[in-house]
Amino acid sequence: DAGVTQSPTHLIKTRGQQVTLRCSPISGHKSVSWYQQVLGQGPQFIFQYYEKEERGRGNFPDRFSARQFPNYSSELNVNALLLGDSALYLCASSLWGPNNEQFFGPGTRLTVL
Amino acid sequence: QQPVQSPQAVILREGEDAVINCSSSKALYSVHWYRQKHGEAPVFLMILLKGGEQKGHDKISASFNEKKQQSSLYLTASQLSYSGTYFCGTEGVDTGNQFYFGTGTSLTVIP
Repeated sequence: DAGVTQSPTHLIKTRGQQVTLRCSPISGHKSVSWYQQVLGQGPQFIFQYYEKEERGRGNFPDRFSARQFPNYSSELNVNALLLGDSALYLCASSLWGPNNEQFFGPGTRLTVL
Repeated sequence: QQPVQSPQAVILREGEDAVINCSSSKALYSVHWYRQKHGEAPVFLMILLKGGEQKGHDKISASFNEKKQQSSLYLTASQLSYSGTYFCGTEGVDTGNQFYFGTGTSLTVIP
């Protein structure tokens, strides 16, 4: 079975631009969570979606938004990019929310110049 | 609300034991443990739900003291493959489905 997939693998943007990251969960998983991991730190929770609804939001500005589609895939959007948004963005899927075992995708490495 | 882990880093020789601690200031519903190797995504190790249970598989086990909001991960007879950064992850009783990873513990096992 395929694991969690994310696209693209790497991305380079300039300040002020907008970016969309994509995630496909493991088949049968209905929950997707997004995390930001800055080099040398632990992942920081951004969003959790379950059954297409936002169920949890971390302490990130409104420039960050996400959605989940009927097939349970998800997109993370970041507007007005700042240098500080440079990070590895991880997607994790689980049966229901982060209180189940979370399976992480390989991540998208975003660099903002 | 980020859990604090200790120690920050530890170096072990193969076969030695280690304990990694995770402490939260919030009442916890569950504690997860993950291991992340350099350049890779975190990998789930185990989950402990409130109730003070202890879990384990192979030579890695963990305990959860919900009254103290603390969890400990025990690695016995460490192997080279145990090297990586260990994170606890917590979901609070009243944190609105937010999930917090701890500060991380870098573990290096040397021959």
